[in-house]
Amino acid sequence: EVQLVESGGGLVQPGGSLRLSCAASGFTFSSYAMNWVRQAPGKGLEYVSVISNNGVSTYYANSVKGRFTISRDNSKNTLYLQMGSLSPEDMAVYYCARVSAGTTLSGALDIWGQGTMVTVSS
Amino acid sequence: DIQMTQSPSSLSASVGDRVTITCRASQSINSYLNWYQQEPGKAPKLLIYKASSLQSGVPSRFSGSGSGTDFTLTVSSLQPEDYATYYCQQTYSTPLTFGGGTQVEI
Repeated sequence: EVQLVESGGGLVQPGGSLRLSCAASGFTFSSYAMNWVRQAPGKGLEYVSVISNNGVSTYYANSVKGRFTISRDNSKNTLYLQMGSLSPEDMAVYYCARVSAGTTLSGALDIWGQGTMVTVSS
Repeated sequence: DIQMTQSPSSLSASVGDRVTITCRASQSINSYLNWYQQEPGKAPKLLIYKASSLQSGVPSRFSGSGSGTDFTLTVSSLQPEDYATYYCQQTYSTPLTFGGGTQVEI
């Protein structure tokens, strides 16, 4: 079964850091670009970041640029999001998602994880 | 950044109704437009990609159309399980922006 499972969410103080993980299974992870998308409570979807299948190319939304780092370990079939300088505006459910077209950075997202909640509060 | 505007933001419809949701891009995005369905408390699900291609496993009552700046998602006969929020997303250029969503109430 094709599956993405996020972990690492939790409560963090403003200014703190957190690393999210996304474990992939059921497909050749190294053949697909991967994304992080977030959703604040009661709000819509916000694109956060994308990484190419080989990890060479990345892109970040302006709202997280310089604070978040996306990475992947194809040997472990795992995607990461290192988040720093967190503020209450970063509080959201974070989803990882696969690009359906494979290596392109800008395709539709066909497989999503269940999400992990990040709460930023003192 | 390309802005995506959905309308309406919410709608109420009966089982069996034909429902249409529109999405407008702030500039031409050719056919690089996707539609997602998100049920309450669940992850989004891809319905339509490249404006009109039905994702595998999605019921044929869902269809998409449009190109350039104006797009439409149509549900030909609304079913109880279609209660959800629907989002459009452009994949023409980064950042790959989403519309604000349309909540469909049965």
